[in-house]
Amino acid sequence: SQTIHQWPATLVQPVGSPLSLECTVEGTSNPNLYWYRQAAGRGLQLLFYSVGIGQISSEVPQNLSASRPQDRQFILSSKKLLLSDSGFYLCAWNSGQGVVNTEAFFGQGTRLTVV
Amino acid sequence: AQSVAQPEDQVNVAEGNPLTVKCTYSVSGNPYLFWYVQYPNRGLQFLLKYITGDNLVKGSYGFEAEFNKSQTSFHLKKPSALVSDSALYFCAVRARMDSSYKLIFGSGTRLLVRP
Repeated sequence: SQTIHQWPATLVQPVGSPLSLECTVEGTSNPNLYWYRQAAGRGLQLLFYSVGIGQISSEVPQNLSASRPQDRQFILSSKKLLLSDSGFYLCAWNSGQGVVNTEAFFGQGTRLTVV
Repeated sequence: AQSVAQPEDQVNVAEGNPLTVKCTYSVSGNPYLFWYVQYPNRGLQFLLKYITGDNLVKGSYGFEAEFNKSQTSFHLKKPSALVSDSALYFCAVRARMDSSYKLIFGSGTRLLVRP
């Protein structure tokens, strides 16, 4: 069966420090991968998506970047965090094998607080 | 533009009573629709989806949703609410992006089931 791992669960970082959040998927190949941010416990904003290794699309301009160095690994990064980067970050995947109408599966999320 | 609307920020219902959480959508082509539930500080869990076929879709934990093409709605329902159903609920629609698809989420509806 497929599983998705996301870590760390919580993170407190000072303004100006770098960020690296990691997400890995097991039990599937060539998944579509996504990073979402959820602010104030409500709406989800799509930040990045990837349909393959090295292929990253950004939905909104921001202080963050994403990379996909391996098929089932998706990394969210920042060189210098801002206070406004605080939020709940969610990684998700769905099938990239042509069955593009499948539901997405989410990791448990990372609560990032920038102080 | 492709979008999802959840018009209610919060729905309150007494335990044992039926519940409805509303969702309307705007999408080009055939809609692929999803419902997710989120418990505090957790990722989203998939509940059910409509792809094609019967307009009444049954999902996890006794939830069901009714697809109504003429009203462009996909309301989530449950015949008898439980206190443990209290959570944040998201409706989502599949939207075309470049050569793949993404899920667009509504703003979420908080369900509160009182004993």
